[in-house]
Amino acid sequence: QKEVEQDPGPLSVPEGAIVSLNCTYSNSAFQYFMWYRQYSRKGPELLMYTYSSGNKEDGRFTAQVDKSSKYISLFIRDSQPSDSATYLCAMSAGSNYQLIWGAGTKLIIKP
Amino acid sequence: GAGVSQSPSNKVTEKGKDVELRCDPISGHTALYWYRQSLGQGLEFLIYFQGNSAPDKSGLPSDRFSAERTGGSVSTLTIQRTQQEDSAVYLCASSLGGLGRVGYEQYFGPGTRLTVT
Repeated sequence: QKEVEQDPGPLSVPEGAIVSLNCTYSNSAFQYFMWYRQYSRKGPELLMYTYSSGNKEDGRFTAQVDKSSKYISLFIRDSQPSDSATYLCAMSAGSNYQLIWGAGTKLIIKP
Repeated sequence: GAGVSQSPSNKVTEKGKDVELRCDPISGHTALYWYRQSLGQGLEFLIYFQGNSAPDKSGLPSDRFSAERTGGSVSTLTIQRTQQEDSAVYLCASSLGGLGRVGYEQYFGPGTRLTVT
């Protein structure tokens, strides 16, 4: 079993829909949780960063961490075709610089 | 400012040949990472350089893989006697450091797509 599980998709939704992307993990030591966005043939770019549990909002994006369930989510409101990309979750135990990555979910927003 | 650059963007090589992949990190970033990304897979950590410290090579999959970082800047990943299973996208990332929050804001290059025939 992988330390971080993420459904590879693809997930296809109509423009304007609310998107929910999720990862589960097994290591209770993880404290830092990140979402990266990767466009085709590009490197990943940091989208959201959360420490420990709770919610964090940035524009149309909301990141949630539920440490009791070992479950993290990324919500995208009013989704746009430009949001079409692969979304990777990554997490770390803290002082450990090595991020553990999910496989990524491919998201397609249909106009 | 300039981001992380990698060269070549694509490399096709024959099985058994050696290849060198280059990474130019963001100026001033002391931490540099190499990852491998296979189709449908997450990022696989390969090696990490932090300043003048000894690199963490724990992710290198075999002794055919090696990397160096000269002058705390440019890094080269070398794969000797390439095998077909080495085919993947090799990504380089840099960050301001390994301590605190900033260590987790890794800035990635576009990657080198390696195909071993």
